[in-house]
Amino acid sequence: GAGVSQSPRYKVAKRGQDVALRCDPISGHVSLFWYQQALGQGPEFLTYFQNEAQLDKSGLPSDRFFAERPEGSVSTLKIQRTQQEDSAVYLCASSLGGEGTQYFGPGTRLLVL
Amino acid sequence: QKEVEQDPGPLSVPEGAIVSLNCTYSNSAFQYFMWYRQYSRKGPELLMYTYSSGNKEDGRFTAQVDKSSKYISLFIRDSQPSDSATYLCAMSGASNTGKLIFGQGTTLQVKP
Repeated sequence: GAGVSQSPRYKVAKRGQDVALRCDPISGHVSLFWYQQALGQGPEFLTYFQNEAQLDKSGLPSDRFFAERPEGSVSTLKIQRTQQEDSAVYLCASSLGGEGTQYFGPGTRLLVL
Repeated sequence: QKEVEQDPGPLSVPEGAIVSLNCTYSNSAFQYFMWYRQYSRKGPELLMYTYSSGNKEDGRFTAQVDKSSKYISLFIRDSQPSDSATYLCAMSGASNTGKLIFGQGTTLQVKP
């Protein structure tokens, strides 16, 4: 079956622009996670959804970051007024729930100029 | 001080060597321990998943967890050039969300 997909795969934005990153999880997966991976670092947790409920957003670095999953399936991570420090790979992962295995998408590579 | 520490390497070994990768952690609440492999410009791919202390073997890969020492290891036997990648340790169980806390990743190169 299909894995986790993300789009776009690459995004170049000018500083100050808003961007929207999309994640299509594996069908039937209840849990959805967003992570940010800076160059040469491990992924860092941003936010977590259980179905449509955002249960943990403690990792979002500022109020410019916003995530939603309105129907409990596709999720969008939005970054407003992008800054150079937002340049990173944004990874989405989904799981059946709880402490189940997380399956990662290929990531969206964001470059803010 | 990060919750999970991992030597970034790079680690270079000849084909056929045994590779040892490891991580230390500080949060004793972690209960689930994972190793992910990440190829360049790809997402992490799960290699091993272990609950609590003990060993787990899968083909050429063996994962060990020592909770008393807060230390986990991944061993790769008969390493192949295709094993060249970044290896990330990850842990969870300290929260009720399943979120993963990752190490920095170790870059491994296996030379033919």
